[in-house]
Amino acid sequence: QSALTQPASVSGSPGQSITISCTGTSSDVGGYNYVSWYQQHPGKAPKLMIFDVSNRPSGVSTRFSGSKSGNTASLTISGLQAEDEADYYCSSYTSSSTYVFGTGTKVTVL
Amino acid sequence: EVQLVESGGGLVKPGESLRLSCAASAFIFSSHTMNWVRQAPGKGLEWVSSISSTSTYIYYADSVKGRFTISRDNAKNSLYLQMNSLTAEDTAIYYCAREYSSRARFDFWGQGTLVTVSS
Repeated sequence: QSALTQPASVSGSPGQSITISCTGTSSDVGGYNYVSWYQQHPGKAPKLMIFDVSNRPSGVSTRFSGSKSGNTASLTISGLQAEDEADYYCSSYTSSSTYVFGTGTKVTVL
Repeated sequence: EVQLVESGGGLVKPGESLRLSCAASAFIFSSHTMNWVRQAPGKGLEWVSSISSTSTYIYYADSVKGRFTISRDNAKNSLYLQMNSLTAEDTAIYYCAREYSSRARFDFWGQGTLVTVSS
């Protein structure tokens, strides 16, 4: 159950778009359309931003979008805003009926 | 409003045990798979365990298998995590999370309870 691989940090200026990658294997990301993304602000619980690769829960901004190609999933934040500065984690269902999270990405708004 | 409130965390010595609880409210607890997820200080999220709505299916991360036991009481709207043989590597904030409709869709999380394992 190795953690999914994410870049440690990604930054962008307000209004720009950024993309965070999440690389796994055919036993997790590549094998199922059960990839979720979570946003976590310091000292807070994680918040679901994307589920089933590309679906947004009610109330989540349309600036957040998800996609997947092969063993790599991606989260794109468009029109970057100061409030988007946080840690982001991907998660995937696995062939062992367990879950695995990504290593986490710190997003900085310049 | 959906609420998940964890309790039971604290300071324990290596080798000791601890039982965490998660009290759920404002939703039909018995209809949902529930999960425990932990986060070591300054580190990332780690999935720990899941239990299906009727306790039929239970899964654990390799790191806790054989030491931790997840359970639930649907009559009390409560989720539990019995943790035995604790080590320093188990030091973390433990969150309970509701799984909604789809796998890996953890839509509500508690505020977490801190477990510290230290001599």
